[in-house]
Amino acid sequence: KAGVTQTPRYLIKTRGQQVTLSCSPISGHRSVSWYQQTPGQGLQFLFEYFSETQRNKGNFPGRFSGRQFSNSRSEMNVSTLELGDSALYLCASSLAVDTGELFFGEGSRLTVL
Amino acid sequence: SQQGEEDPQALSIQEGENATMNCSYKTSINNLQWYRQNSGRGLVHLILIRSNEREKHSGRLRVTLDTSKKSSSLLITASRAADTASYFCATDGGAAGNKLTFGGGTRVLVKP
Repeated sequence: KAGVTQTPRYLIKTRGQQVTLSCSPISGHRSVSWYQQTPGQGLQFLFEYFSETQRNKGNFPGRFSGRQFSNSRSEMNVSTLELGDSALYLCASSLAVDTGELFFGEGSRLTVL
Repeated sequence: SQQGEEDPQALSIQEGENATMNCSYKTSINNLQWYRQNSGRGLVHLILIRSNEREKHSGRLRVTLDTSKKSSSLLITASRAADTASYFCATDGGAAGNKLTFGGGTRVLVKP
């Protein structure tokens, strides 16, 4: 069974640009969550989607957005990139909400210059 | 901001020794989880302990939970070089859903 797949794995952008990251969950998993990991702030929750609906949102500015498609694949978008957006963005999937265990992808490492 | 604090921040031990790390959190929880992360990679789920449980074992892992003190500990027995990684505790804040709040992590180095 394939794990959580995130693309791209690495990308470099410049300030002011926008970026879209993709996440394909484990087959059959309907819940997808996104986390940002930085050396300074650690792991922080961005959003959670279930059946194409956003269930929870973290404390991030409106430049961060996401969506989930009918096949459970998810994308997140960051517009007007800032240097501080440089981070490892991790996607996690689970069968449903409240199942506890999350299955994480390898992450997309974004560098903003 | 992180709900949990983990200590120590870093730990260096010899292969075969035990490694213990602690996690404190601030709000009520439904459950607490521990994850492992190898450098720059994704997180791997290790163990989940529910708020009504006090201790749980999984292989060489032993987790305890004290909800009165809002703290948990993870013990790795007979450590191996492959256990070198960062370990994070994560809590659900007592709310429904898969929104987790992670601690700052403990970096463990197991020397062969």
